[in-house]
Amino acid sequence: QFVESGGGLVQPGGSLRLSCAASGFTFTGYWMSWVRQAPGKGLEWVANVKEDGSEKFYVDSVKGRFTISRDNAKNSLYLQMNSLRVEDTAVYYCASTILGGQGTLVTVSS
Amino acid sequence: EIVMTQSPATLSVSPGERATLSCRASQSVSTHVAWYQQRRGQAPRLLIYGASTRATGIPARFSGSGSGTEFTLTISSLQSEDFAIYYCQQYLNRLTFGGGSRVEI
Repeated sequence: QFVESGGGLVQPGGSLRLSCAASGFTFTGYWMSWVRQAPGKGLEWVANVKEDGSEKFYVDSVKGRFTISRDNAKNSLYLQMNSLRVEDTAVYYCASTILGGQGTLVTVSS
Repeated sequence: EIVMTQSPATLSVSPGERATLSCRASQSVSTHVAWYQQRRGQAPRLLIYGASTRATGIPARFSGSGSGTEFTLTISSLQSEDFAIYYCQQYLNRLTFGGGSRVEI
């Protein structure tokens, strides 16, 4: 249902933009989220966006640095990540109510 | 924030035995609960949604139950490929996950 892309190796302070292509359901009918999993750790909700993009929420640790957005015409979800920190290193997944992709790995390291 | 608490953290069982994993929500989530299996190095795999509905292709030995704040995932007869970490998740209000239960030999 979800194909995430855009991850990679970036230095602390750098930026990345993640993308998620959704299929198999009515994209415009759901809030969409990003979820991440740091190496050896559990799953953590990062951000979500309302069906029409009018409301957005973030976990405290990424507020002011990450921006979630969506393009309903393309059934796509995005996460712009700025001022990246070592602790942002994780596999990032997109989700509607449930996870359904392989994720994209973001590694923040010098 | 709705907190999901899983127990036990680790369950040691033998192949062929029954495994029962628990998940408690800090407030009622009705039946808006999913369960995932995660093997080492892989993405989480959806097992159960709506607290008790098996996802496509999931064997019948996996079953989910519960509503409100108490939920259970049961594996009726463990196979070798079932040794993994299991996560519960609520999707009533945003998405929050339990800390995981490791099923090991």
